[in-house]
Amino acid sequence: EPEVTQTPSHQVTQMGQEVILRCVPISNHLYFYWYRQILGQKVEFLVSFYNNEISEKSEIFDDQFSVERPDGSNFTLKIRSTKLEDSAMYFCASDTRGRYTGELFFGEGSRLTVL
Amino acid sequence: DAKTTQPNSMESNEEEPVHLPCNHSTISGTDYIHWYRQLPSQGPEYVIHGLTSNVNNRMASLAIAEDRKSSTLILHRATLRDAAVYYCILREKRQGGSEKLVFGKGMKLTVNP
Repeated sequence: EPEVTQTPSHQVTQMGQEVILRCVPISNHLYFYWYRQILGQKVEFLVSFYNNEISEKSEIFDDQFSVERPDGSNFTLKIRSTKLEDSAMYFCASDTRGRYTGELFFGEGSRLTVL
Repeated sequence: DAKTTQPNSMESNEEEPVHLPCNHSTISGTDYIHWYRQLPSQGPEYVIHGLTSNVNNRMASLAIAEDRKSSTLILHRATLRDAAVYYCILREKRQGGSEKLVFGKGMKLTVNP
């Protein structure tokens, strides 16, 4: 069964450092998303990406965040200068365009710990 | 975003059916009803979705009220692996595209052996 893969599974970083979280979406998918979940809280939408540009972003997704699809397979989330409050699980997701399947495929997540 | 209301938690027994309710009284005509679940330490997982008619798949059944203001996710035989947080989410279908999911707090299902 196709799956979304994310790396690293866990990253520990110092406050102020740059972090890049990587995702490989399912190969024939065209919409890509990042969500995050702070420990014990709701899953929150960060950004959606289609056709090499951001289609929607939340208030959380400020200038410290950026996304990129540098090649045909990877989809990355960069946090330029991490803060303590960026500590969370970050989930990548993807889905198809066109015929509505209703199913969003999520990866297992990358846990970010900012010290 | 149209909102849903779920109980905070439910308990069920293994191998028994369990009905998970969801209210969505402000649902619009273009909103699909989606259910996702999140097992401990994992990403959300799609369970089922529907618009007006009841739906069945290998994981569960979705019963949608005639006025669409409520729905029920039915797990026919709960297993220990079904213990998770279940999210009932309204998602607007956009022509040719996809809409983000807005997660609420969800409902924690405990399955007793």
